[in-house]
Amino acid sequence: NAGVTQTPKFRVLKTGQSMTLLCAQDMNHEYMYWYRQDPGMGLRLIHYSVGEGTTAKGEVPDGYNVSRLKKQNFLLGLESAAPSQTSVYFCASSLRGGGETQYFGPGTRLLVL
Amino acid sequence: GQQLNQSPQSMFIQEGEDVSMNCTSSSIFNTWLWYKQEPGEGPVLLIALYKAGELTSNGRLTAQFGITRKDSFLNISASIPSDVGIYFCAGQLFKAAGNKLTFGGGTRVLVKP
Repeated sequence: NAGVTQTPKFRVLKTGQSMTLLCAQDMNHEYMYWYRQDPGMGLRLIHYSVGEGTTAKGEVPDGYNVSRLKKQNFLLGLESAAPSQTSVYFCASSLRGGGETQYFGPGTRLLVL
Repeated sequence: GQQLNQSPQSMFIQEGEDVSMNCTSSSIFNTWLWYKQEPGEGPVLLIALYKAGELTSNGRLTAQFGITRKDSFLNISASIPSDVGIYFCAGQLFKAAGNKLTFGGGTRVLVKP
C-alpha cells in the first residue's frame, strides 16, 4: 500500500496561473481532505469530501475548488493563483468520519510569485 | 472558530531529557490527537485520546486528555535525537461535520547545539 500520495511535490506559479493538485489513496477510505499549512498556524482545512461525488467547504475554502469523481482521488484546483496561496498543501484520508484517524500525504509545496 | 494554543512554540532538547508541551482550547473537544511531522513529510499520528482524564502512552510518549476537556499535554521521556520534528495537537468534536480536526500551531523540537 502506498497510502496517501500527492503530486506534484513542488510547484512554482505566477500570479493568475491555474493548477490542479492531485491526491490519491489506496486504502479504500471514504473521507478525504485538503489542508494548507502556514508557519505557526498549524493545518487549516480547505475542503473535504465524505464520499465519491461529494465535496464540502472547510475553514478556508476561498480561491480553491475541489472534485471527487473517483473514490480514490481528490483534486484541489486553483483557478487564478495568488501570492497568499503560497503554502504547503496536505491531503489526508480517513476510513470514515466519527473520529477515525486521518492519514496524511507527504505534501505539495506551492510558491506563487 | 475554535482556537488551539500550543506551547511552547519551540524547544531545544538534550539527549536524555524529559520534555513536555501542551495545548489549550477556548472550548471543549471530545477527542485530542497528537501528531508529529518531520521535514518533507505529512503529520503522523502518535497518540489519540478519547476520554477526559485519559492518560495514554506510546513508547516514550505519554499524553493526557485534560479533565476539563479543554486541554491536553504530551510528554517525551528520555529524549533522543530522532525526536526532533514538529509536534501538533489537534482537537475533534464528536460527529463533527467532515470529521474536522482543529490544529494547534505546533511545537518545534530541536536539538541543543
